[in-house]
Amino acid sequence: AQKVTQAQTEISVVEKEDVTLDCVYETRDTTYYLFWYKQPPSGELVFLIRRNSFDEQNEISGRYSWNFQKSTSSFNFTITASQVVDSAVYFCALSEPNQGGKLIFGQGTELSVKP
Amino acid sequence: EPEVTQTPSHQVTQMGQEVILRCVPISNHLYFYWYRQILGQKVEFLVSFYNNEISEKSEIFDDQFSVERPDGSNFTLKIRSTKLEDSAMYFCASSDRRTNTGELFFGEGSRLTVL
Repeated sequence: AQKVTQAQTEISVVEKEDVTLDCVYETRDTTYYLFWYKQPPSGELVFLIRRNSFDEQNEISGRYSWNFQKSTSSFNFTITASQVVDSAVYFCALSEPNQGGKLIFGQGTELSVKP
Repeated sequence: EPEVTQTPSHQVTQMGQEVILRCVPISNHLYFYWYRQILGQKVEFLVSFYNNEISEKSEIFDDQFSVERPDGSNFTLKIRSTKLEDSAMYFCASSDRRTNTGELFFGEGSRLTVL
């Protein structure tokens, strides 16, 4: 069965610290897609990244980076030099082919960045 | 930047009443979705819609729920007889391709409170 686990419910850091949000997934398919979404206090869901199962190359986008490791079924997200505006709930999600666009979300990690 | 818009932003209703949540997806998108998020919990898939029919639905999407694309721009979610446990944030989303290869754009959500 598909499952996404974000074991960290809440993380609190001080501005400029680096922080890593963990995501572990379960799937029986060899082809699948992984996502990260940000949900700021205003409530909307903001797409951050999509990664397919055949592409294990890590990605960096500004202060954000993602580490995808199939061997451990993990897709972790690191924010470097965190800022107060990074405070939000972050969701990891999984999708499989032929699932009609269904995303399976993790429980979310609430990140609080304090000045 | 094109966006998914949802109305109302917040609706309060009495148990047993019918509710219609409206969404205007991004204009050239073909795939439409509803998700919900009970307060403090993860985002859950409800239904996907393509070519004027449901592609997939979750166990949550029972006979009390229905979706419709009444014209070329709107995509609606109807709850026939609301229950207390329907209180949640409902997110509409759209994509120009199946989620696996396309980005899913979410609206800002409609908060439903059932009293």
